[in-house]
Amino acid sequence: GENVEQHPSTLSVQEGDSAVIKCTYSDSASNYFPWYKQELGKRPQLIIDIRSNVGEKKDQRIAVTLNKTAKHFSLHITETQPEDSAVYFCAASITSGTYKYIFGTGTRLKVLA
Amino acid sequence: DVKVTQSSRYLVKRTGEKVFLECVQDMDHENMFWYRQDPGLGLRLIYFSYDVKMKEKGDIPEGYSVSREKKERFSLILESASTNQTSMYLCASTPNGGRYEQYFGPGTRLTVT
Repeated sequence: GENVEQHPSTLSVQEGDSAVIKCTYSDSASNYFPWYKQELGKRPQLIIDIRSNVGEKKDQRIAVTLNKTAKHFSLHITETQPEDSAVYFCAASITSGTYKYIFGTGTRLKVLA
Repeated sequence: DVKVTQSSRYLVKRTGEKVFLECVQDMDHENMFWYRQDPGLGLRLIYFSYDVKMKEKGDIPEGYSVSREKKERFSLILESASTNQTSMYLCASTPNGGRYEQYFGPGTRLTVT
């Protein structure tokens, strides 16, 4: 069935270093790939997304890359700060008449001061 | 301002009770979703609805049912609560198109004893 694999499950980096989280999806028809950040005790919130007609998108310190051939996409955070500490989820849209999203299992990012 | 609300932040119920979780959105979105969030398992889709009175099963529908009588309101029902349904439940909504941000509610932490 449809599946999104996300790695790593936990990631610790020193403040100022970069962090990379990778996801692989199974449905070749997926055409929308959002990333959500969930801080402790709060709801997930969209931080960046990419559509299938684009290979890379950047928003300040955050970037997402998409490789449709390999069916994987990655989140890159540069110059990490303590407030980047959170759980990050990738997702892929599944479009088959109706619209739903399959989420990865999440990555807990810890930025060490 | 976009808003998705859920009826309770915390709920404690006994095994065998019928439980109702309610979600309301004020964005006139067609699609609404119920997810269950457990550590290490990410966000798993229980049910979603793409229109009033229309619903589809997600990945883990067993033990749950849903109701959508009005566009803004989507209810999750646990017919006979069991301890393995202790979890965080998140509601979300999104407009039609499959390439848009999902807006999440604050979550309901359900404990079944």
